[in-house]
Amino acid sequence: EAGVAQSPRYKIIEKRQSVAFWCNPISGHATLYWYQQILGQGPKLLIQFQNNGVVDDSQLPKDRFSAERLKGVDSTLKIQPAKLEDSAVYLCASSFQGKNEKLFFGSGTQLSVL
Amino acid sequence: SQQGEEDPQALSIQEGENATMNCSYKTSINNLQWYRQNSGRGLVHLILIRSNEREKHSGRLRVTLDTSKKSSSLLITASRAADTASYFCASNQAGTALIFGKGTTLSVSS
Repeated sequence: EAGVAQSPRYKIIEKRQSVAFWCNPISGHATLYWYQQILGQGPKLLIQFQNNGVVDDSQLPKDRFSAERLKGVDSTLKIQPAKLEDSAVYLCASSFQGKNEKLFFGSGTQLSVL
Repeated sequence: SQQGEEDPQALSIQEGENATMNCSYKTSINNLQWYRQNSGRGLVHLILIRSNEREKHSGRLRVTLDTSKKSSSLLITASRAADTASYFCASNQAGTALIFGKGTTLSVSS
């Protein structure tokens, strides 16, 4: 079974630039999550999708972050414009139905904002 | 906001020793999960314990849950160098996404 795929693996940008991350969850998984992990901390939920609908985006900084999952499969997370404090690892995870199950994580995208 | 808080923040042991990590959480939960993260990698699920369970085993892992104290512990027996990683507890209420703690960094030396 293929795992959660994320790209790119690393990204370095200047502040105020824009950046996008892509995630392809495990086939058949209805629920997709984006987490932000700052160095030395645990992952923090940014947004949760159930199929192509948003379940929870309460911690997504909507003035600069956006995410979509148009066909209920893969997803894109965008930051525009980026700030220095956005430097982190962005983790995508998926689960079968999102009902208190275990999550499967991708390897993440490490973003450095200079 | 962080739901779980792991203790200790860092733990260094020798191969063959046992490692115990603790997690405390704030609100009532549906289940509690433990994950491992190797440096530069994503998280890997280790074990899930439901709110009506008190203990669960998986190989060299033993997890306990005390809902009256809002705490859980993860015991790794006979540690190996390959167990070196960060360990996170995560919990959720019914219908909500997992909220992770800050993690315990375990270093096992040979």
